[in-house]
Amino acid sequence: GAGVSQSPRYKVAKRGQDVALRCDPISGHVSLFWYQQALGQGPEFLTYFQNEAQLDKSGLPSDRFFAERPEGSVSTLKIQRTQQEDSAVYLCASSTQGMEQKLFFGSGTQLSVL
Amino acid sequence: KQEVTQIPAALSVPEGENLVLNCSFTDSAIYNLQWFRQDPGKGLTSLLLIQSSQREQTSGRLNASLDKSSGRSTLYIAASQPGDSATYLCAVSGVGNYQLIWGAGTKLIIKP
Repeated sequence: GAGVSQSPRYKVAKRGQDVALRCDPISGHVSLFWYQQALGQGPEFLTYFQNEAQLDKSGLPSDRFFAERPEGSVSTLKIQRTQQEDSAVYLCASSTQGMEQKLFFGSGTQLSVL
Repeated sequence: KQEVTQIPAALSVPEGENLVLNCSFTDSAIYNLQWFRQDPGKGLTSLLLIQSSQREQTSGRLNASLDKSSGRSTLYIAASQPGDSATYLCAVSGVGNYQLIWGAGTKLIIKP
């Protein structure tokens, strides 16, 4: 595609609900990253995929967070039993290969947990 | 642990001025440094990427420098325009990992 696409753009969830956030990277991009951005802060790393392999998940804040990229293209970030502190913008980025190239970001999913 | 700081947090200047945004980092063992622009409600756009072996990169009216030994980078914007108004963030990647460590950004307002 022309750019990184994320859906939904906005998500409101009641505390305790499960949510799934989708990222469709630029076609052919090997590397895919998820970041979490709180208001007024820089993004915080969550996880990294190279093709379908999840090479780094050290930034996932708890075992309620799970990410997958089963076919090496579209990725889903799932948050189980959402809490208010999960409210943030979730950003997806892709690149042709690792950290050597510029990252291309989607517009993000703004998650609000009530 | 790598920490990235951007000062000032906000900056307002008249149109046409040249300006410098600052980024500092605590661990000089970086792989590269990137400058990004973020517009309200939108994602991040990569402006310039400087590899650790490079001293500067230029794109149009933008010039980014890197002094790895002192842990500093600057983004120079020439002849600023109202369309340059945005939040500018710098981020560094460490050697051997895939994480970008980010500053909190500088919110730039260019007054017409």
